[in-house]
Amino acid sequence: DAGVIQSPRHEVTEMGQEVTLRCKPISGHDYLFWYRQTMMRGLELLIYFNNNVPIDDSGMPEDRFSAKMPNASFSTLKIQPSEPRDSAVYFCASSLILTDFYGYTFGSGTRLTVV
Amino acid sequence: KQEVTQIPAALSVPEGENLVLNCSFTDSAIYNLQWFRQDPGKGLTSLLLIQSSQREQTSGRLNASLDKSSGRSTLYIAASQPGDSATYLCAVNNMRFGAGTRLTVKP
Repeated sequence: DAGVIQSPRHEVTEMGQEVTLRCKPISGHDYLFWYRQTMMRGLELLIYFNNNVPIDDSGMPEDRFSAKMPNASFSTLKIQPSEPRDSAVYFCASSLILTDFYGYTFGSGTRLTVV
Repeated sequence: KQEVTQIPAALSVPEGENLVLNCSFTDSAIYNLQWFRQDPGKGLTSLLLIQSSQREQTSGRLNASLDKSSGRSTLYIAASQPGDSATYLCAVNNMRFGAGTRLTVKP
């Protein structure tokens, strides 16, 4: 398995534009997590899914952020409209079960810069 | 809300030294605590996970302990090597992360 795959690796966009980040979890993993990492706030959980259903989105900063998981092999995190303060590294992770150490794998992240 | 704190924020040691990284959390009602390693520009790599019923876990030169009553966990690294240089993060319940400790091991 190639692990958790995120795309793009880097994204530079202008303020006000729509940004879509993509994630392909490890096949068979039932949980998918989206995180954001910044110098100021560290690593924050934004939302997680179980069997494609959003379970906890309390970390989503505001209505400009939305996440979907249309099937077990694909998830998107969308920011519309984007703002400079959204600049961060966004990570996706997947796991077999919620507390499963061995199946908890992070993608390499998408570095988003909003200018 | 669970708050996770890591001290120190940065640590520099000479090669061969044993060292301890600290993680504290405010809510003792946890089901696991996990230590990760993050290399610059990369994602996180799981190192050790301690379930709430456990007191410690060991893997090679790494040993992690958990004291729920005091809200603390430590990561002990024995005989440090330059390859151990990275940022180490602790996470409670896979949900709340500390800001990390940036470790530099000098040859």
